[in-house]
Amino acid sequence: SQTIHQWPATLVQPVGSPLSLECTVEGTSNPNLYWYRQAAGRGLQLLFYSVGIGQISSEVPQNLSASRPQDRQFILSSKKLLLSDSGFYLCAWSVQGWQYFGPGTRLTVT
Amino acid sequence: DQQVKQNSPSLSVQEGRISILNCDYTNSMFDYFLWYKKYPAEGPTFLISISSIKDKNEDGRFTVFLNKSAKHLSLHIVPSQPGDSAVYFCAASATRGSTLGRLYFGRGTQLTVWP
Repeated sequence: SQTIHQWPATLVQPVGSPLSLECTVEGTSNPNLYWYRQAAGRGLQLLFYSVGIGQISSEVPQNLSASRPQDRQFILSSKKLLLSDSGFYLCAWSVQGWQYFGPGTRLTVT
Repeated sequence: DQQVKQNSPSLSVQEGRISILNCDYTNSMFDYFLWYKKYPAEGPTFLISISSIKDKNEDGRFTVFLNKSAKHLSLHIVPSQPGDSAVYFCAASATRGSTLGRLYFGRGTQLTVWP
């Protein structure tokens, strides 16, 4: 069966510090991968999606970036965090469109 | 521009009664609709879906109704249970063949079921 992992589960970072969140998927090949953010009072905002290794599409201009170095690995990064980057970050994978979410990372920028 | 709207941020219902969560959409190309349920500090989990060729889909205590002319769908939970307390997200997509396209999510509705 397919499994999706995210780490860390929680993270507290100061403003201006770098960020790296990792997502890995097991049990499937060539999935579409997504990064979402849920901020306070807002829904699920699509940040990035990837249809293959090295193929990244950005939905929202921001100081975040994403990379897909391997088929089942998706990384969300930032060089300098802003206060507004606080939120709950969710990785998801899909095959034929059905999306399955990871456990999420709670990021607090102080 | 929010293409999927959940105008009620919260809903409080007594255990045993019906919960009705509403969702509106603006894009007429959407032809597949999903509801996800999310507990705090966890990822959303798929709950129920409906295709635009139907106007109702039922799965146990959960029923989704679709009104295409009004671009409106609703999720009914009967009877409501305390364990149903969670945030419910409505999502919509335009299908391409048998594949769902990008999902567009509403902002969610916090359902609280009290004993």
